[in-house]
Amino acid sequence: DTEVTQTPKHLVMGMTNKKSLKCEQHMGHRAMYWYKQKAKKPPELMFVYSYEKLSINESVPSRFSPECPNSSLLNLHLHALQPEDSALYLCASSPFMRGGRKTQYFGPGTRLLVL
Amino acid sequence: DAKTTQPTSMDCAEGRAANLPCNHSTISGNEYVYWYRQIHSQGPQYIIHGLKNNETNEMASLIITEDRKSSTLILPHATLRDTAVYYCIAHNPNQAGTALIFGKGTTLSVSS
Repeated sequence: DTEVTQTPKHLVMGMTNKKSLKCEQHMGHRAMYWYKQKAKKPPELMFVYSYEKLSINESVPSRFSPECPNSSLLNLHLHALQPEDSALYLCASSPFMRGGRKTQYFGPGTRLLVL
Repeated sequence: DAKTTQPTSMDCAEGRAANLPCNHSTISGNEYVYWYRQIHSQGPQYIIHGLKNNETNEMASLIITEDRKSSTLILPHATLRDTAVYYCIAHNPNQAGTALIFGKGTTLSVSS
C-alpha cells in the first residue's frame, strides 16, 4: 500500500478565513512533505518534517503554518492568504532510514482557491 | 541535486512504445534517476528509479547509459491513460528528508 490521502480535495476560502489542509499516511514513513504547485508549473517544496520535527522550511510566508501532530498526520494551517496562493497543495511521504527504498509517494492534492 | 533536461512535449500513437529521453550530464555518483508522472490535476505518481543498471517494473523500463549522463523511460505499449507530464529527477535518496527538484518535464500525448 503506497497511499497518501489528502482532505479536502477542493477548498475555496476568503482572504480573512482560517482553514487547514490534512494529509495522512499509514506506511510508517517518518518523512513528510508539503509541496505547492501553481498552474502549468512543476511542484515546489514548502516544508519537510522528519520524525515529526520540521527540518526544512523553504522560506515560506508565515501565513502557512505546518504541523505534524504524529507520525501519520501532517497538517497545513492557512490564515490570511492572498489570491496568488491559489494552487494545488501536495503532500508526500517517504521512509527515513538507512538502506531500503526512500521513494516519495504523493497524495492527490488539495486544489485551493483564494478569493 | 543535478539538473535534468527533457523535451517539452512528445506524441505517441496508442499501442506503440513511448520513449522519453532525459539528460543529466552533471549527475553525481550517489544520485539516482527517478521518474514520476502527473496526470492532469492529480498528484505525481512514482514510476521507476535506477542508479546504473537498467530497471523494469510493471509500469515501465528505465535505460541508463553507461556514463550515466542520460536515460530513457520506455512505456512499452502506450495507452490513452498514459497521457501526462513525465518528470525525470536526479535525486540522492540517502539524503533522507530532502526534496525532489522537479524540472518542467515532458508532456506526453498519446492518441488513438
